[in-house]
Amino acid sequence: KAGVTQTPRYLIKTRGQQVTLSCSPISGHRSVSWYQQTPGQGLQFLFEYFSETQRNKGNFPGRFSGRQFSNSRSEMNVSTLELGDSALYLCASSPLQGNTGELFFGEGSRLTVL
Amino acid sequence: AQSVTQPDIHITVSEGASLELRCNYSYGATPYLFWYVQSPGQGLQLLLKYFSGDTLVQGIKGFEAEFKRSQSSFNLRKPSVHWSDAAEYFCAVKTSYDKVIFGPGTSLSVIP
Repeated sequence: KAGVTQTPRYLIKTRGQQVTLSCSPISGHRSVSWYQQTPGQGLQFLFEYFSETQRNKGNFPGRFSGRQFSNSRSEMNVSTLELGDSALYLCASSPLQGNTGELFFGEGSRLTVL
Repeated sequence: AQSVTQPDIHITVSEGASLELRCNYSYGATPYLFWYVQSPGQGLQLLLKYFSGDTLVQGIKGFEAEFKRSQSSFNLRKPSVHWSDAAEYFCAVKTSYDKVIFGPGTSLSVIP
C-alpha cells in the first residue's frame, strides 16, 4: 500500500507570491490533516479535512487555506507569502473520522520564502 | 487547554545505554497518547499509542511507554539504544475535538 505522498518536496518562493501544496493520502483514508513545522514553533496544526469538509482548524491567518477533493486528495494554499512561512509542511492521513488519532505522515514539502 | 510538554530539548546517550524520554500532558479525560519519531528530512512515524487498558504499551523498534495518570505522564523508554535511534521524538495527544497536538520534541543523539 502506498504511503502518503506530498508534492512538491522542495520549493522556493519570494515574498508576496502564493503557493499550493498537494497531498495524496493512503488509499482508503478519508481524513487529511496539515501541520506546519518550524524550528521555533515545532509542529503546529493547520487544519483537517474529512469527506471534503474542514473539520478542524488551527490558529493560522486566513492566508492559509485548504481543500479536499472527492478522492480524498488535499491541497493547501498560502497566499501573500511572508518570510515566516518558510517551513516544512506535513500532511497526514487517517482512516476514519473520530478515530483514535493515529496519523500517517508524508515526507513533507519544504517551503523556503526569500 | 490541552497541551503536551517534553521537558528535555536534547538528550545524548551512548550506544547500548538505556533511554527514557519524558512527556507530560494536560487533558481532562482519559487521553489518547502517542509517540512519533522523525528522522532528518523525513515525516513522522508512529512508534506506539495508548488508548486504554494496560498502562505499559509496546511499540516498534523495541520502544515502550508507560502511562501514569497520577503524574499525567507518558514516558518513552528503550533498554538499549542503537545508533540508528538518533532522531527527533514527539509526544502527542488527541484532543476532545479530535485534533492531534504535539509536544515540542526531544532531539536524541547517540554516541557510538
